[in-house]
Amino acid sequence: GQQLNQSPQSMFIQEGEDVSMNCTSSSIFNTWLWYKQDPGEGPVLLIALYKAGELTSNGRLTAQFGITRKDSFLNISASIPSDVGIYFCAGQSYTNDMRFGAGTRLTVKP
Amino acid sequence: DTGVSQDPRHKITKRGQNVTFRCDPISEHNRLYWYRQTLGQGPEFLTYFQNEAQLEKSRLLSDRFSAERPKGSFSTLEIQRTEQGDSAMYLCASSLGNQGGKLFFGSGTQLSVL
Repeated sequence: GQQLNQSPQSMFIQEGEDVSMNCTSSSIFNTWLWYKQDPGEGPVLLIALYKAGELTSNGRLTAQFGITRKDSFLNISASIPSDVGIYFCAGQSYTNDMRFGAGTRLTVKP
Repeated sequence: DTGVSQDPRHKITKRGQNVTFRCDPISEHNRLYWYRQTLGQGPEFLTYFQNEAQLEKSRLLSDRFSAERPKGSFSTLEIQRTEQGDSAMYLCASSLGNQGGKLFFGSGTQLSVL
């Protein structure tokens, strides 16, 4: 089953607002990643984080690898309608398999 | 680079039948992963290959499930004696071993067991 706790489960925001979501785990991960999934498609990688404390940006997206290596957050600034979708955190351990959170469903109202 | 390709996109089968799905990874990727996803959940790890070697299998993967990657290129996932609980999206992903964690997913095979 899932080892990652992702919150919130869903968000309804107005276009232009900032968004924050996070992921926690009872296990330590070597890599944290954030993916976005559109209906009927596979997840698409947004950001990958490799070091504890690392802060990485990709356009309007910013993500951080927690110091304890057991958590990560994703921020989206100035949201736009195409940000709609489901965002998943994922953690990869030393065994190289990857575990996903249950997702945060984002709805952006124009 | 044509991306990860999965076939078929949709499969409807009757309980008790066997089904097989195919995944063609990005050509230079040596790692290949299978995940299962049900509605409202994140992808759930099933198994992964490095080249042709199956390196890890989830404990959730029952004996009815088998995966192969015979020449380290495409992979197949077979489910024998399907059950209604097997209904899900089956996702394949591939990656380069030295690009830790950067998985590229296919569009998935949606399985419905009636």
